[in-house]
Amino acid sequence: EVQLVESGGGLVQPGGSLRLSCAASGFIFSSSDMNWVRQAPGKGLEWISHIGGTSSPVYYADSVKGRFTVSRDNARNSLFLQMNSLRDEDTAVYYCARDHTAMIDYWGQGTLVTVSS
Amino acid sequence: QSALTQPASVSGSPGQSITISCTGTSSDIGGYNYVSWYQQHPGKAPKLMIYEVGHRPSGVSNRFSGSKSGNTASLTISGLQAEDEADYYCSSYSSSSTRVFGGGTKLTVL
Repeated sequence: EVQLVESGGGLVQPGGSLRLSCAASGFIFSSSDMNWVRQAPGKGLEWISHIGGTSSPVYYADSVKGRFTVSRDNARNSLFLQMNSLRDEDTAVYYCARDHTAMIDYWGQGTLVTVSS
Repeated sequence: QSALTQPASVSGSPGQSITISCTGTSSDIGGYNYVSWYQQHPGKAPKLMIYEVGHRPSGVSNRFSGSKSGNTASLTISGLQAEDEADYYCSSYSSSSTRVFGGGTKLTVL
């Protein structure tokens, strides 16, 4: 059974940093491209980042480019999202999601990030 | 990276059919057959319902179907049931190798 479990969310002040993690199991992680998708409270889904199985290629949405960095550790079946210079508008539930031919076939349960002073 | 355009809400009675549209551009929907649809119930993670325009994953009811014409994709749900009430999102691969979602459509089963 495919499982994606996010962690690392919490309350952070504007301008601060946070690192999200996603533990994957039930599939060959190193062969799978992965995404981060977020959802602000009461709003729609927003794709924010993609990383290939071998850590390349990497793509970002304009809204996070230069502030967020996606990475992975295939030996530990883990995906990460380093978020710097956080803004109020980054407040959202962040989902780890498996990519398969440009579709997302599995989603984690999400982790909430709140940016507030 | 503009969001795809979906109606904010649609509604239908049990047993009826509804269609949700999703409009993009030639750089996303119109340029690729990588349109997918997701169902999201309140407080839950999204669930894949349709991929590559009109393909259903195993376990998804055949009441759900997808299509595309030009820059517009559509999700049709036939034989509406109470449990279909949810938010629905379209998504497409984009020419910049990114992915883009629609703004979401709230389906109400009357």
